[in-house]
Amino acid sequence: KQEVTQIPAALSVPEGENLVLNCSFTDSAIYNLQWFRQDPGKGLTSLLLIQSSQREQTSGRLNASLDKSSGRSTLYIAASQPGDSATYLCAVLIYQLIWGAGTKLIIKP
Amino acid sequence: GAGVSQTPSNKVTEKGKYVELRCDPISGHTALYWYRQSLGQGPEFLIYFQGTGAADDSGLPNDRFFAVRPEGSVSTLKIQRTERGDSAVYLCASSPAGSDNEQFFGPGTRLTVL
Repeated sequence: KQEVTQIPAALSVPEGENLVLNCSFTDSAIYNLQWFRQDPGKGLTSLLLIQSSQREQTSGRLNASLDKSSGRSTLYIAASQPGDSATYLCAVLIYQLIWGAGTKLIIKP
Repeated sequence: GAGVSQTPSNKVTEKGKYVELRCDPISGHTALYWYRQSLGQGPEFLIYFQGTGAADDSGLPNDRFFAVRPEGSVSTLKIQRTERGDSAVYLCASSPAGSDNEQFFGPGTRLTVL
């Protein structure tokens, strides 16, 4: 059974720092992995999608990597800003999405 | 083009009542998914439609939950005899044909059962 784990559950850092969020999954048979952002009381915003054949994707200050063999993905955020404060969720697609519980990120001004 | 829409955005009901939640997928998307997100947790899969038929309903928690998609477009999630534990955000997503495609999410319906 596929399980997705995100560490840490919460993270608070000063503005301007680079940071890494971690996601691990137990079964490498996935179609893709996706990172989402969720603001309090709001819906999901898709940030990056990495196909199973890819190693990484980049969008602006965000970079996501995927290592299927080790069942790991990281989301790297460069030069963090207070507006990056949100919960970040990763999910793997096996036809349905299997989700982690998220990392709650707080960027302190 | 228009994205996935869900109505209502918020629904407050009393324990024991019946509710219906609606999802309008992106036009042309044949696959439709329902997920449920409880407070502080990631979403959990409920049911997946390919066209009009439910391809996988293994995530529905019990027989109080039922979903339909009669014309292969709009879907309705129906909850009978609601319980306080049903309170959550119900998310709908759609994707093009093929179960390995990216899913696009609606804004969700926040259900509160008093």
